Amino acid sequence: GQNIDQPTEMTATEGAIVQINCTYQTSGFNGLFWYQQHAGEAPTFLSYNVLDGLEEKGRFSSFLSRSKGYSYLLLKELQMKDSASYLCAVKDSNYQLIWGAGTKLIIKP
Amino acid sequence: GAVVSQHPSWVICKSGTSVKIECRSLDFQATTMFWYRQFPKQSLMLMATSNEGSKATYEQGVEKDKFLINHASLTLSTLTVTSAHPEDSSFYICSASRLLAGDTGELFFGEGSRLTVL
Repeated sequence: GQNIDQPTEMTATEGAIVQINCTYQTSGFNGLFWYQQHAGEAPTFLSYNVLDGLEEKGRFSSFLSRSKGYSYLLLKELQMKDSASYLCAVKDSNYQLIWGAGTKLIIKP
Repeated sequence: GAVVSQHPSWVICKSGTSVKIECRSLDFQATTMFWYRQFPKQSLMLMATSNEGSKATYEQGVEKDKFLINHASLTLSTLTVTSAHPEDSSFYICSASRLLAGDTGELFFGEGSRLTVL
């Protein structure tokens, strides 16, 4: 079966750095997405990785290792507004998006 | 660009009634739209893939006669929850991808519609 694993919840301090991991087992791979979802709102796109390596976009970076079936989202200089759920999603060989359950990130002052 | 609008944002209805949710791509044409359902503290669950001009493709376990999907134009898809019951109360979200050169295939989401069935 297809499976995406990410921690259920993480806590970090304002101004710090946090890394949210995602491991996946899917039938094929056509890219990995990270989305941010604030409570009661729809997800918004953060990043996309299809090749191995690190993609940096401001305070957020996303890393991919296809051989390990692993990705992480790195958030720097955390702000209170970063408190949200972070969803990892993989596009499989049929270009279907498989979603992780999301990681709820709690930022404390 | 790439704005998806969903309406209504909130809806409360009585058990047994039907509710229609609209999803519009405002500045691009979406030949395919996706309907998701999300229960509290859970991830997105794909309900169906809506294709313009043809029947929607439903995921396993989703009743096509209960969740009617119509995609009559390249910018509008509708989801009708028929004979709604309290267990249908959920957050319904539509999304679409924009097929332009260089796009990653990311999904653009509507604002979501929170349905409460009394």
